Amino acid sequence: SQKIEQNSEALNIQEGKTATLTCNYTNYSPAYLQWYRQDPGRGPVFLLLIRENEKEKRKERLKVTFDTTLKQSLFHITASQPADSATYLCAPFSGNTPLVFGKGTRLSVIA
Amino acid sequence: EAGVAQSPRYKIIEKRQSVAFWCNPISGHATLYWYQQILGQGPKLLIQFQNNGVVDDSQLPKDRFSAERLKGVDSTLKIQPAKLEDSAVYLCASSLYGGLAADNEQFFGPGTRLTVL
Repeated sequence: SQKIEQNSEALNIQEGKTATLTCNYTNYSPAYLQWYRQDPGRGPVFLLLIRENEKEKRKERLKVTFDTTLKQSLFHITASQPADSATYLCAPFSGNTPLVFGKGTRLSVIA
Repeated sequence: EAGVAQSPRYKIIEKRQSVAFWCNPISGHATLYWYQQILGQGPKLLIQFQNNGVVDDSQLPKDRFSAERLKGVDSTLKIQPAKLEDSAVYLCASSLYGGLAADNEQFFGPGTRLTVL
């Protein structure tokens, strides 16, 4: 069955540093991958989508990579701020199947 | 633009009782989703509607869960009877397109936190 692993449950970093979150998947070959942000008590908010033929995608301080050989996506937040503290969810999918979310990584940016 | 609305925000019930959640998607969005999010887990799709037809309900426990989307707009999700393991946040989401286009961004509501005692 499809399996999604996000590197750790929690990640603490200092303000101004780059946060790197990992999403690994097994037993399927998604053509796309979405990243969402979820704050406590709120629903997820879409951040970025990357396609299998896109090695890298950027949006402001966010950068996502997608390595179909390693079956891995990396999500980077540069110049991190306390306001970036949240849980980040990855969701690889094939386009003809529903989104399947990972458990998420809770990021804490310490001032 | 108004977001996805859900009510109630919180609900506490005894096991074996019934409960219903309501969702109003973003105006014009053809597709509506119900997800279950257990504490510490990612959201799990329960059912997906396109307009008022069901696209996917493969993970909906149909012996106790039901959902409908009358007139292709609002939707209700019902649990009857509830079990302890149904304690979770129930999220509603909507998207503009039907189907599963790659750029079919989903907009989530705030969720309903259900506690079953």
